[in-house]
Formats: sequence, C-alpha cells, structure tokens
Amino acid sequence: DAKTTQPPSMDCAEGRAANLPCNHSTISGNEYVYWYRQIHSQGPQYIIHGLKNNETNEMASLIITEDRKSSTLILPHATLRDTAVYYCIVRSSGRGYGGSQGNLIFGKGTKLSVKP
Amino acid sequence: NAGVTQTPKFRILKIGQSMTLQCAQDMNHNYMYWYRQDPGMGLKLIYYSVGAGITDKGEVPNGYNVSRSTTEDFPLRLELAAPSQTSVYFCASSYSSPYEQYFGPGTRLTVT
Repeated sequence: DAKTTQPPSMDCAEGRAANLPCNHSTISGNEYVYWYRQIHSQGPQYIIHGLKNNETNEMASLIITEDRKSSTLILPHATLRDTAVYYCIVRSSGRGYGGSQGNLIFGKGTKLSVKP
Repeated sequence: NAGVTQTPKFRILKIGQSMTLQCAQDMNHNYMYWYRQDPGMGLKLIYYSVGAGITDKGEVPNGYNVSRSTTEDFPLRLELAAPSQTSVYFCASSYSSPYEQYFGPGTRLTVT
C-alpha cells in the first residue's frame, strides 16, 4: 500500500477554507484516497474518498492531481467544530477481503486547529 | 439510525478480571471491526468480521475474543485483563467497501 505524507499541523481561521494536503507519490492504479478525521476523544469519522476524479459531498471536497501523486482535502467554510486530526489513507478498495485488508492505517495525520 | 453504538463508555477493571465490550449497528452492515487506540497513537485492528458467523484476527488479537451471531452485534471479550489492555476501544462497521468505515464513540478501559 502507498505511503502518505501529511504536514503535522495547520491553522485555519474560522469561516475560511481549510486546505489539507497529502502526498502519495507511490500510489498505484487501483488505490483510492480516503480521508477520515478524529475529533478529540471521539471515534474516527469518514469524510470522503476518490480514485482520480475530484469528489464533493456535504462535508468536503477532494482534489486529486492528474498524476494522482497528491491530493487536497478542502473544507470550504471551516468552523471551530472542524478542529480535529485529519488522516489521508491510501488503500485498494476491492470486493475481496482477507488478512489486513480491513486495517485502516491512520498514521499521524494533520492536526487542524480552526481559530476564531 | 443510531449508527454504531458501544457500551459501556468507561470501565475500570482489576488485573485478571474479564469483561465484554458491546457493539451494535443498525445500518445492516456486513463488515464489523474492533480497534484499540493507545494514547497519542493510531488505531490498531484487533478482530474483524465479514458477516454473521465469520470472524478473523487483525493485527493485535492476543488477549481478546469475538463472536458474531447476528449481523447487528459484534461483542469483544477480554479475558484476564492486563494493564497493557488499557486503551480506548472503537467498534466500526461498513457495508460494501472495507474502507468506508463508520465508528462508534468508543469505550475507555483502564486496567489497574
């Protein structure tokens, strides 16, 4: 599985867009990019995922570069409640299951602090 | 939908005691998982299940047991609790993709 690199921390002003980068230069063709976040003392929360096209849902947008070696998670209007650790995870998403396929490797992520 | 629920929220155990952490989901998800998260660390997979009656070990299964008699429930059993099992335990479930997982609020366990 491809390794990801994220900045350890970022700050964002409340109401502004938060742009969280992730490098995954060794990503292979069948691997998706997943984003989760973990607000302090809570369980991780799935945000969004994508393969090669940009994706948007009610929480965020995911921009994946054309070469798929990096991506950016965008929270369009960050609020104080978006303060959390954000994890970028790259894994294949096949129907088969076995061994460690279900293991989400969260790494250290990016601690986003939204400030008033 | 309540999503993924876990009980209890907190528990203190003495060394050698046993307990069951409960996990239930009402989303009709086939896949269910148990993770532990030690302070300042990432999540580690303990056990997972791909459907009722089917379970398998994850990365750190020693000291734990699971069962999956129904689609909804996936209890985690700790036998002979040890201080190394002090952690936050998260249960998760998913429907079609193993990686769109929905997590419960966690159980904070202290073994002293």
